[in-house]
Amino acid sequence: DTAVSQTPKYLVTQMGNDKSIKCEQNLGHDTMYWYKQDSKKFLKIMFSYNNKELIINETVPNRFSPKSPDKAHLNLHINSLELGDSAVYFCASSQEDRVGNTIYFGEGSWLTVV
Amino acid sequence: DAKTTQPTSMDCAEGRAANLPCNHSTISGNEYVYWYRQIHSQGPQYIIHGLKNNETNEMASLIITEDRKSSTLILPHATLRDTAVYYCIAGPKYNFNKFYFGSGTKLNVKP
Repeated sequence: DTAVSQTPKYLVTQMGNDKSIKCEQNLGHDTMYWYKQDSKKFLKIMFSYNNKELIINETVPNRFSPKSPDKAHLNLHINSLELGDSAVYFCASSQEDRVGNTIYFGEGSWLTVV
Repeated sequence: DAKTTQPTSMDCAEGRAANLPCNHSTISGNEYVYWYRQIHSQGPQYIIHGLKNNETNEMASLIITEDRKSSTLILPHATLRDTAVYYCIAGPKYNFNKFYFGSGTKLNVKP
């Protein structure tokens, strides 16, 4: 069973479009994240979210917004896509009060804006 | 939060031990050392973490110096499938908002 799953795995879209990437975790974790890995391979946190608060990396444009319909899902919505948004986006989850816990990542969603 | 320094790349012969160093000289008392790896085109994968004692699991061993300013990840018998970028992260336990993934070490395991 896949612990953290993302869809779609690949997405090619035109500038100006609005798109979403979905994420689901079946680990029962209470915190989920979105990370962005750019062409230089640096992995940067964009958001973290649990049922109490949303923490946003201040460098993330407000065109990006996370939406959580329930505890097991955290979708990423991107409005007015730009060329610079092309990257690999990783969803992740963790449970902060569980001994021995760590953060689990999905397999990534490759976004190409043309 | 403590930043870490790792060599850009390393080579290792298949079947030999791979020793990956990490410097975290500014680590604070409540920060753990975590190791993750990212195999090409996959999401980062947890390997091991520790506070001050050496740790071992089925994947690797983690050796932390007594002053906690550096550590070494050891893959005892590297295989070709261990070729990946290895990230060393210093961060508080459970607070993954503070995780900073640097550039890591690209480990090339060669036949």
